[in-house]
Amino acid sequence: QSVLTQPPSASGTPGQRVTISCSGSSSNIGSNTVNWYQQLPGTAPKLLIYSNNQRPSGVPDRFSGSKSGTSASLAISGLQSEDEADYYCAAWDDSLNGFWVFGGGTKLTVL
Amino acid sequence: EVQLVESGGGLVKPGGSLRLSCAASGFTFSSYSMNWVRQAPGKGLEWVSSISSSSSYIYYADSVKGRFTISRDNAKNSLYLQMNSLRAEDTAVYYCAREGSSWSEYYFDYWGQGTLVTVSS
Repeated sequence: QSVLTQPPSASGTPGQRVTISCSGSSSNIGSNTVNWYQQLPGTAPKLLIYSNNQRPSGVPDRFSGSKSGTSASLAISGLQSEDEADYYCAAWDDSLNGFWVFGGGTKLTVL
Repeated sequence: EVQLVESGGGLVKPGGSLRLSCAASGFTFSSYSMNWVRQAPGKGLEWVSSISSSSSYIYYADSVKGRFTISRDNAKNSLYLQMNSLRAEDTAVYYCAREGSSWSEYYFDYWGQGTLVTVSS
């Protein structure tokens, strides 16, 4: 049971726009920024979005992030076949001594 | 180029110990907090432990507290994870990840390729 809640799966056809949600609480998303990671099959995770909506150098602007209250979303526009991957949200949690929490991951399928 | 290379994984019996290493290069290792994140087969990511740049601050997930010890050697640009009293549920790929920051916001900006730990009799 992950602290952050994501849908287990999402899908879309090439060119479509898809969104992936991430729900948390006041101790994590509600008080800290959200990061998103992309994990292509058989590879290590890669930073996709940081600080809610910032893209690292090299990440296409088709990827965007947003946050409102205790929820966050990742949007992918102009969906491409190479976007098929697992996507994870993450945030720092201020509970107790503090720790990083991840969502359970969303498997994106490009139909 | 930033590189993180994990090593030390393998097959170990329940109750056994293992020490993972992460060799860092391409950046000033002593300036960054570092983390271990694991992924059980077919499962999602789980944060394991964090250590600040000077080892002043150390955090553990409840699932490993008291059994795992994170450490670093800034002179050797290396991160370690000593894992004791291993359980079947510790079976996972273990990644080391650098903790980058921007305006006091933090994130894992570089990840290693991972090392597989299998706990089985």
